[in-house]
Amino acid sequence: QKEVEQNSGPLSVPEGAIASLNCTYSDRVSQSFFWYRQYSGKSPELIMSIYSNGDKEDGRFTAQLNKASQYVSLLIRDSQPSDSATYLCAVNRGGSQGNLIFGKGTKLSVKP
Amino acid sequence: GAVVSQHPSWVICKSGTSVKIECRSLDFQATTMFWYRQFPKQSLMLMATSNEGSKATYEQGVEKDKFLINHASLTLSTLTVTSAHPEDSSFYICSAGGQGVSYEQYFGPGTRLTVT
Repeated sequence: QKEVEQNSGPLSVPEGAIASLNCTYSDRVSQSFFWYRQYSGKSPELIMSIYSNGDKEDGRFTAQLNKASQYVSLLIRDSQPSDSATYLCAVNRGGSQGNLIFGKGTKLSVKP
Repeated sequence: GAVVSQHPSWVICKSGTSVKIECRSLDFQATTMFWYRQFPKQSLMLMATSNEGSKATYEQGVEKDKFLINHASLTLSTLTVTSAHPEDSSFYICSAGGQGVSYEQYFGPGTRLTVT
């Protein structure tokens, strides 16, 4: 079983809609969860981090974490064409090194 | 968030030569830095964890004698690709952070290496 799984997409949503990105992870000891945005040809940019069960909101972004189900999601409200990118889910491996395990990413396309 | 820089942003070298990539944390001290490699349309793959003042920890399958990592100060880590071959052509990205409870990592802009 892969450690961090994401639907590769592409996920296509119209401008103004809500984009929902999902991620599951296999390591139950993971405590830290992250969403990164990566534009084509660029490096990843941290957009959300979440550590506790429930929702965390930051502007148009909401991260949701359910540790019992080993599931983390990212909602993007009022999607804009500039949100079109690949979204990477990352989970810390555990331990003191802080290594992150990345999913393969979901490609989001927001159509004007 | 924290700012991480990389140099160079792109490099073209001939097969058999060595290339050094620098990663700097500009506004914080990073005792740990990470080196990733990303091939086209693939996800990030962690190559090694670089610890200031000690030897790097390499992921399984990564040749430590080919990818030399030096983390001599709290703000600088370097990756040297030795005897580069065309199959080493990739996007190399460093990150810094990963400390404390948060484990947040901040990425540099990446270095695109092309070996001819």
